[in-house]
Amino acid sequence: NAGVTQTPKFQVLKTGQSMTLQCAQDMNHNSMYWYRQDPGMGLRLIYYSASEGTTDKGEVPNGYNVSRLNKREFSLRLESAAPSQTSVYFCASRGPPGGQPQHFGDGTRLSIL
Amino acid sequence: SQQGEEDPQALSIQEGENATMNCSYKTSINNLQWYRQNSGRGLVHLILIRSNEREKHSGRLRVTLDTSKKSSSLLITASRAADTASYFCATAPASDYKLSFGAGTTVTVRA
Repeated sequence: NAGVTQTPKFQVLKTGQSMTLQCAQDMNHNSMYWYRQDPGMGLRLIYYSASEGTTDKGEVPNGYNVSRLNKREFSLRLESAAPSQTSVYFCASRGPPGGQPQHFGDGTRLSIL
Repeated sequence: SQQGEEDPQALSIQEGENATMNCSYKTSINNLQWYRQNSGRGLVHLILIRSNEREKHSGRLRVTLDTSKKSSSLLITASRAADTASYFCATAPASDYKLSFGAGTTVTVRA
């Protein structure tokens, strides 16, 4: 049972570099999400995709772009990384609306120097 | 801005004791969910309670919801060392597509 798989698990970037975080789910879920988690702040939603072919901004979208490649895959791109984007990034997926839980990957720990 | 706020921020208890944490939120919800996060891992769903429910049980977990006070509580009974983790409440609005998470309660269970 793979569930939600994120790659890479760790990454160190220099300011200004670009990076794509990958996320894939094998549960045939329609909705997928990207969050960032900073100390003491819980999870904040960056972008989400309610269904294949759609993406929408969350609470903190600035500096990020996303691509819903197909039903399984949802990637997050940092075009020009900044130290403020140092964080742990989580991808999640969920089945149809109607009180369903989200299923999370184990995260990507990203440091921007 | 975050919808939910957990209280307390941290909790330390002895193995076998009960742990109670609370969550308050600001706007009307479709449902409220509790998640657990072990150190270095992703969040794991524990329990979901809908806005028309008042109490729900799952194993050693008991969740209550008071929509008039916009608050929820999570009770873990007979705690174990393996319950050491951070616990987050998350609220889903009427549209139910997005969740808004609180900052979490860190629970330490001492052997």
